[in-house]
Amino acid sequence: AQKVTQAQTEISVVEKEDVTLDCVYETRDTTYYLFWYKQPPSGELVFLIRRNSFDEQNEISGRYSWNFQKSTSSFNFTITASQVVDSAVYFCALSGPLMGNTPLVFGKGTRLSVIA
Amino acid sequence: GAGVSQSPSNKVTEKGKDVELRCDPISGHTALYWYRQRLGQGLEFLIYFQGNSAPDKSGLPSDRFSAERTGESVSTLTIQRTQQEDSAVYLCASSLMNVEAFFGQGTRLTVV
Repeated sequence: AQKVTQAQTEISVVEKEDVTLDCVYETRDTTYYLFWYKQPPSGELVFLIRRNSFDEQNEISGRYSWNFQKSTSSFNFTITASQVVDSAVYFCALSGPLMGNTPLVFGKGTRLSVIA
Repeated sequence: GAGVSQSPSNKVTEKGKDVELRCDPISGHTALYWYRQRLGQGLEFLIYFQGNSAPDKSGLPSDRFSAERTGESVSTLTIQRTQQEDSAVYLCASSLMNVEAFFGQGTRLTVV
């Protein structure tokens, strides 16, 4: 069975601080995909990144970076120099070997509040 | 359309009534998903369609819930004899193979 755990329910930081959102997953598949989605107060889920299980390179996109470590089954997300607009609920998700052919399993989300 | 479209955006219904929620996926997307999100909670998988294959209904919480999709087009999620516990945002997403899922803005259902 697949499972995604986001142990941090809520995080509050002051603007310009760095913050890391944790994600730990469980799967029996050898090939799988990991995702992060952002859900701002408007409610719509916004795709941020996907990573397949064979690619353990870290990725950086502007102030966002992702650290995938297969050895610890973790896919953590760091926001550098956080801004108020980063305030949202962030979801980590997992899918099976055929992305788009199996449902996404989501974690319960981490609510990030960035205070000015 | 450019994105996944869901209607209505808000629905208030009386307990015991049936409701139908609609999802228009991105054109050409073969996969379509329904999720439920209760207030302050994560996303709960309900049902998944992929092309003409039999849907994965493993997430439907009871036999009051059903969903249909004709081919690779519109899907409707039906909740019969609604209960207050059904109050939630119902999210639809669509995707192609090997492409991430894109979500609609959801239908907020309130059962009074």
